[in-house]
Amino acid sequence: GQQVMQIPQYQHVQEGEDFTTYCNSSTTLSNIQWYKQRPGGHPVFLIQLVKSGEVKKQKRLTFQFGEAKKNSSLHITATQTTDVGTYFCFIRIQGAQKLVFGQGTRLTINP
Amino acid sequence: NAGVTQTPKFQVLKTGQSMTLQCAQDMNHEYMSWYRQDPGMGLRLIHYSVGAGITDQGEVPNGYNVSRSTTEDFPLRLLSAAPSQTSVYFCASSYSPGYNEQFFGPGTRLTVL
Repeated sequence: GQQVMQIPQYQHVQEGEDFTTYCNSSTTLSNIQWYKQRPGGHPVFLIQLVKSGEVKKQKRLTFQFGEAKKNSSLHITATQTTDVGTYFCFIRIQGAQKLVFGQGTRLTINP
Repeated sequence: NAGVTQTPKFQVLKTGQSMTLQCAQDMNHEYMSWYRQDPGMGLRLIHYSVGAGITDQGEVPNGYNVSRSTTEDFPLRLLSAAPSQTSVYFCASSYSPGYNEQFFGPGTRLTVL
Protein backbone atom coordinates (compact mmCIF):
# COMPACT_ATOMS: atom_id res chain seq x y z
CA GLY A 1 0.00 0.00 0.00
CA GLN A 2 0.87 3.66 -0.17
CA GLN A 3 3.67 4.33 2.30
CA VAL A 4 4.11 8.01 1.65
CA MET A 5 1.92 10.63 0.04
CA GLN A 6 3.53 13.68 -1.50
CA ILE A 7 1.42 16.69 -2.44
CA PRO A 8 0.83 18.53 -4.62
CA GLN A 9 1.76 16.57 -7.72
CA TYR A 10 2.27 19.76 -9.74
CA GLN A 11 2.75 23.41 -8.83
CA HIS A 12 3.08 26.35 -11.20
CA VAL A 13 4.11 29.70 -9.73
CA GLN A 14 5.17 33.12 -10.83
CA GLU A 15 8.83 33.85 -10.23
CA GLY A 16 9.16 35.39 -6.79
CA GLU A 17 6.24 33.49 -5.29
CA ASP A 18 6.71 30.92 -2.55
CA PHE A 19 6.38 27.17 -3.00
CA THR A 20 5.76 24.32 -0.58
CA THR A 21 5.63 20.55 -1.01
CA TYR A 22 4.55 18.09 1.66
CA CYS A 23 5.25 14.46 2.44
CA ASN A 24 2.93 12.52 4.70
CA SER A 25 3.38 9.02 6.04
CA SER A 26 0.96 6.78 7.90
CA THR A 27 3.84 5.32 9.92
CA THR A 28 6.61 6.78 12.02
CA LEU A 29 9.74 7.53 10.07
CA SER A 30 13.36 7.02 11.09
CA ASN A 31 14.31 10.05 9.07
CA ILE A 32 13.50 11.71 5.76
CA GLN A 33 15.58 12.91 2.86
CA TRP A 34 14.79 15.39 0.11
CA TYR A 35 16.05 15.23 -3.46
CA LYS A 36 15.77 17.56 -6.44
CA GLN A 37 15.67 16.45 -10.06
CA ARG A 38 16.14 19.05 -12.76
CA PRO A 39 14.34 18.43 -16.08
CA GLY A 40 16.25 15.75 -17.98
CA GLY A 41 18.56 15.17 -15.03
CA HIS A 42 18.97 12.74 -12.17
CA PRO A 43 17.93 13.11 -8.53
CA VAL A 44 20.38 15.03 -6.36
CA PHE A 45 20.40 14.91 -2.58
CA LEU A 46 19.38 18.11 -0.80
CA ILE A 47 19.11 17.33 2.89
CA GLN A 48 18.31 14.79 5.60
CA LEU A 49 16.09 15.38 8.65
CA VAL A 50 16.38 13.09 11.64
CA LYS A 51 15.03 14.69 14.80
CA SER A 52 11.42 15.30 15.73
CA GLY A 53 10.47 18.90 14.95
CA GLU A 54 13.75 19.56 13.16
CA VAL A 55 14.04 22.63 10.93
CA LYS A 56 16.92 23.15 8.53
CA LYS A 57 17.58 25.96 6.08
CA GLN A 58 19.57 26.15 2.90
CA LYS A 59 19.46 29.72 1.62
CA ARG A 60 15.84 30.12 0.38
CA LEU A 61 14.89 26.50 1.17
CA THR A 62 13.41 25.55 4.54
CA PHE A 63 12.92 21.90 5.49
CA GLN A 64 10.77 20.75 8.41
CA PHE A 65 10.21 17.39 10.07
CA GLY A 66 6.99 16.95 12.00
CA GLU A 67 6.87 16.44 15.75
CA ALA A 68 5.45 12.95 15.31
CA LYS A 69 8.00 12.14 12.57
CA LYS A 70 5.21 11.30 10.16
CA ASN A 71 5.36 14.31 7.87
CA SER A 72 7.76 16.78 6.37
CA SER A 73 7.73 19.87 4.19
CA LEU A 74 10.04 21.73 1.86
CA HIS A 75 9.38 25.44 1.47
CA ILE A 76 11.06 27.70 -1.08
CA THR A 77 10.87 31.44 -0.48
CA ALA A 78 10.80 33.77 -3.49
CA THR A 79 11.25 31.16 -6.20
CA GLN A 80 13.76 31.65 -8.98
CA THR A 81 13.90 29.96 -12.38
CA THR A 82 16.78 27.82 -11.10
CA ASP A 83 14.31 26.17 -8.70
CA VAL A 84 12.49 24.47 -11.58
CA GLY A 85 12.40 20.70 -11.25
CA THR A 86 10.79 17.85 -9.37
CA TYR A 87 11.25 17.55 -5.62
CA PHE A 88 11.09 14.12 -4.01
CA CYS A 89 11.02 12.99 -0.44
CA PHE A 90 12.68 9.68 0.42
CA ILE A 91 11.86 7.76 3.52
CA ARG A 92 13.11 4.86 5.59
CA ILE A 93 10.25 3.51 7.65
CA GLN A 94 11.20 3.05 11.29
CA GLY A 95 11.63 -0.55 12.33
CA ALA A 96 11.47 -1.84 8.75
CA GLN A 97 13.90 -2.25 5.91
CA LYS A 98 11.64 -0.31 3.60
CA LEU A 99 12.86 2.58 1.51
CA VAL A 100 10.39 4.58 -0.57
CA PHE A 101 10.38 7.70 -2.73
CA GLY A 102 7.41 10.00 -2.69
CA GLN A 103 5.66 10.57 -6.00
CA GLY A 104 7.35 13.95 -6.40
CA THR A 105 6.15 17.52 -6.84
CA ARG A 106 6.94 19.07 -10.18
CA LEU A 107 7.59 22.81 -9.91
CA THR A 108 7.36 25.05 -12.94
CA ILE A 109 7.96 28.79 -12.83
CA ASN A 110 6.71 31.63 -15.00
CA PRO A 111 9.54 34.17 -15.29
CA ASN B 1 36.00 10.38 -8.80
CA ALA B 2 33.53 9.61 -11.57
CA GLY B 3 30.74 8.86 -9.04
CA VAL B 4 28.03 6.65 -10.54
CA THR B 5 28.25 5.93 -14.25
CA GLN B 6 25.63 4.30 -16.45
CA THR B 7 25.72 3.03 -20.00
CA PRO B 8 24.13 3.37 -22.45
CA LYS B 9 22.42 6.77 -22.20
CA PHE B 10 19.75 5.80 -24.72
CA GLN B 11 18.56 2.45 -26.05
CA VAL B 12 15.80 1.28 -28.36
CA LEU B 13 14.80 -2.38 -28.26
CA LYS B 14 12.26 -4.51 -30.02
CA THR B 15 9.84 -6.58 -27.99
CA GLY B 16 11.48 -9.82 -26.91
CA GLN B 17 15.05 -8.63 -27.15
CA SER B 18 17.34 -8.80 -24.13
CA MET B 19 19.95 -6.36 -22.97
CA THR B 20 22.06 -5.32 -19.99
CA LEU B 21 22.18 -1.85 -18.50
CA GLN B 22 25.56 -1.19 -16.96
CA CYS B 23 26.18 0.65 -13.69
CA ALA B 24 29.45 1.31 -11.91
CA GLN B 25 30.52 3.37 -8.90
CA ASP B 26 33.94 4.28 -7.59
CA MET B 27 32.96 5.41 -4.07
CA ASN B 28 33.30 1.96 -2.46
CA HIS B 29 29.60 1.95 -1.54
CA GLU B 30 28.20 -1.37 -0.39
CA TYR B 31 24.61 -0.49 -1.28
CA MET B 32 23.55 -0.17 -4.91
CA SER B 33 20.10 -0.08 -6.43
CA TRP B 34 18.14 0.24 -9.64
CA TYR B 35 15.07 2.45 -10.03
CA ARG B 36 12.74 3.04 -12.90
CA GLN B 37 11.02 6.37 -13.38
CA ASP B 38 7.74 6.71 -15.22
CA PRO B 39 5.64 9.89 -15.55
CA GLY B 40 3.48 10.41 -12.49
CA MET B 41 4.90 7.31 -10.76
CA GLY B 42 8.00 8.72 -9.14
CA LEU B 43 10.98 6.42 -8.68
CA ARG B 44 10.25 2.76 -8.06
CA LEU B 45 12.83 0.34 -6.76
CA ILE B 46 13.53 -2.64 -9.03
CA HIS B 47 16.37 -4.49 -7.31
CA TYR B 48 19.02 -3.64 -4.78
CA SER B 49 22.23 -5.05 -3.36
CA VAL B 50 23.78 -4.60 0.08
CA GLY B 51 27.14 -5.95 -1.01
CA ALA B 52 28.95 -8.19 -3.46
CA GLY B 53 27.12 -11.47 -3.88
CA ILE B 54 23.93 -10.20 -2.19
CA THR B 55 20.89 -8.98 -4.11
CA ASP B 56 17.20 -8.64 -3.33
CA GLN B 57 13.98 -7.59 -4.99
CA GLY B 58 12.43 -4.20 -4.73
CA GLU B 59 8.92 -3.05 -5.54
CA VAL B 60 8.86 -3.90 -9.27
CA PRO B 61 11.34 -6.75 -9.96
CA ASN B 62 9.45 -8.74 -12.60
CA GLY B 63 11.23 -8.94 -15.95
CA TYR B 64 14.60 -7.90 -14.54
CA ASN B 65 17.63 -9.74 -13.21
CA VAL B 66 20.64 -8.45 -11.34
CA SER B 67 23.93 -9.77 -10.05
CA ARG B 68 26.70 -8.21 -7.96
CA SER B 69 30.05 -9.87 -8.44
CA THR B 70 32.11 -6.84 -7.39
CA THR B 71 31.54 -3.85 -5.14
CA GLU B 72 31.86 -1.50 -8.13
CA ASP B 73 29.44 -3.00 -10.66
CA PHE B 74 25.71 -3.70 -10.58
CA PRO B 75 24.30 -4.57 -14.01
CA LEU B 76 20.57 -4.80 -14.71
CA ARG B 77 19.42 -7.37 -17.24
CA LEU B 78 16.18 -7.24 -19.18
CA LEU B 79 15.41 -10.83 -20.07
CA SER B 80 12.74 -10.33 -22.75
CA ALA B 81 11.90 -6.67 -23.26
CA ALA B 82 8.27 -5.56 -23.26
CA PRO B 83 6.73 -2.16 -24.12
CA SER B 84 5.79 -1.80 -20.44
CA GLN B 85 9.52 -1.58 -19.67
CA THR B 86 9.83 1.66 -21.61
CA SER B 87 11.14 3.99 -18.93
CA VAL B 88 14.10 5.91 -17.59
CA TYR B 89 16.36 3.74 -15.46
CA PHE B 90 18.55 5.12 -12.71
CA CYS B 91 21.28 3.36 -10.80
CA ALA B 92 22.16 4.66 -7.34
CA SER B 93 24.71 3.92 -4.65
CA SER B 94 25.06 4.79 -0.99
CA TYR B 95 26.87 3.82 2.19
CA SER B 96 23.49 3.23 3.81
CA PRO B 97 20.38 4.46 2.01
CA GLY B 98 17.98 6.37 4.17
CA TYR B 99 20.77 7.23 6.59
CA ASN B 100 23.24 8.54 4.00
CA GLU B 101 22.59 10.27 0.72
CA GLN B 102 22.14 8.25 -2.44
CA PHE B 103 24.23 9.17 -5.48
CA PHE B 104 22.49 8.66 -8.79
CA GLY B 105 23.86 7.95 -12.21
CA PRO B 106 22.76 10.05 -15.22
CA GLY B 107 20.15 7.48 -16.26
CA THR B 108 19.36 5.30 -19.27
CA ARG B 109 16.36 6.17 -21.40
CA LEU B 110 14.95 2.90 -22.76
CA THR B 111 12.28 2.55 -25.41
CA VAL B 112 10.79 -0.84 -26.23
CA LEU B 113 8.89 -1.02 -29.50
